[in-house]
Amino acid sequence: QKEVEQDPGPLSVPEGAIVSLNCTYSNSAFQYFMWYRQYSRKGPELLMYTYSSGNKEDGRFTAQVDKSSKYISLFIRDSQPSDSATYLCAFAVSGGYNKLIFGAGTRLAVHP
Amino acid sequence: EAQVTQNPRYLITVTGKKLTVTCSQNMNHEYMSWYRQDPGLGLRQIYYSMNVEVTDKGDVPEGYKVSRKEKRNFPLILESPSPNQTSLYFCASSGRYSGANVLTFGAGSRLTVL
Repeated sequence: QKEVEQDPGPLSVPEGAIVSLNCTYSNSAFQYFMWYRQYSRKGPELLMYTYSSGNKEDGRFTAQVDKSSKYISLFIRDSQPSDSATYLCAFAVSGGYNKLIFGAGTRLAVHP
Repeated sequence: EAQVTQNPRYLITVTGKKLTVTCSQNMNHEYMSWYRQDPGLGLRQIYYSMNVEVTDKGDVPEGYKVSRKEKRNFPLILESPSPNQTSLYFCASSGRYSGANVLTFGAGSRLTVL
């Protein structure tokens, strides 16, 4: 079993749609949960960062963590063409310097 | 502008010809690391460095070398490249004030080994 599973997509949605991106994981030691966004020909950039279970909202983006089910989600409301990118979930055991474990990424296309 | 700079961005080389991919950051970050990104496999860590003269292997270190002689620089060395090292490479850094898990990535270096 892979440590992190992420549906590669591609996911194609119309502008204005609500998008749900998901990852499952198997390592119960993960305490920090992140979503990185990667535009074509660019490096990933941090989008959302959460610690432990619960929800975190930032504008149109909501990150949700369910540690009991080992499942994290990223919701994008009122999706825009500028949201078209690959979204990578990432996990860490501690808040200090340590290895991040990344999902393979989900490619999202938002069409006008 | 705070950034991680990688060079070259694109490189085509032949098997066995030594090459170096440079990485430099201007944020005074302690932690630097190298990842490779392959379709379906995501980002996998090659090597990382906690500070100057401190480096350690990641998940896929075979065929690579690194050094950290200065805080800002962390070059990736392929002594004898092989076709299975054809990949997209990213350098990343983080610091104690930005948060250790908040990685700043370079724009990537696409390497093709023939």
